[in-house]
Amino acid sequence: AQTVTQSQPEMSVQEAETVTLSCTYDTSESDYYLFWYKQPPSRQMILVIRQEAYKQQNATENRFSVNFQKAAKSFSLKISDSQLGDAAMYFCAYRSQYSGGGADGLTFGKGTHLIIQP
Amino acid sequence: DTEVTQTPKHLVMGMTNKKSLKCEQHMGHRAMYWYKQKAKKPPELMFVYSYEKLSINESVPSRFSPECPNSSLLNLHLHALQPEDSALYLCASSHRDRQRNTEAFFGQGTRLTVV
Repeated sequence: AQTVTQSQPEMSVQEAETVTLSCTYDTSESDYYLFWYKQPPSRQMILVIRQEAYKQQNATENRFSVNFQKAAKSFSLKISDSQLGDAAMYFCAYRSQYSGGGADGLTFGKGTHLIIQP
Repeated sequence: DTEVTQTPKHLVMGMTNKKSLKCEQHMGHRAMYWYKQKAKKPPELMFVYSYEKLSINESVPSRFSPECPNSSLLNLHLHALQPEDSALYLCASSHRDRQRNTEAFFGQGTRLTVV
């Protein structure tokens, strides 16, 4: 079974600064997906960024980028120019590549609560 | 349309009641999921439907009964729940085929309170 570990229960950053959220995972698979989801107080889970394990290039989405280190099984999220709207719980999540077996639900880390200081 | 719609948004039910949660998507996704999320915890997978067939049941008690009537709809039937079942119930959907296997889209959830 796969496990996802987020070692930072809470992080705080000044508005306009940069913050990095950590995530490590454990798996014996070679093909998989990694995601960062954001969950604001409204509780809606919103996809922030995704990374396919077979791609060496780190994914970026505007102010959000990841540092994917496959050998180290590390998948950190960097948020640049932090904004008040970035305040939320951030979950790192793992998903197996589709194999036909249907075992492809998301495995989540415990989450990091991100606070943005004005 | 990239929306997953869940109804109701809030539900209060007694331990002897029978109720249903509903989830709908029109993105052509053939995988649909139910997750349970307690406060300050990550979502936990309950059920996975693949091509309208139940493919994963994560040892969920029988008082939770999922149903997938067609490729767009997913229900969760609730009966004889316990107060500890109070939680946010999230529905999600995604593509299934290898070439398009990407992220799951989540609904806004149903906040369930069992009294």
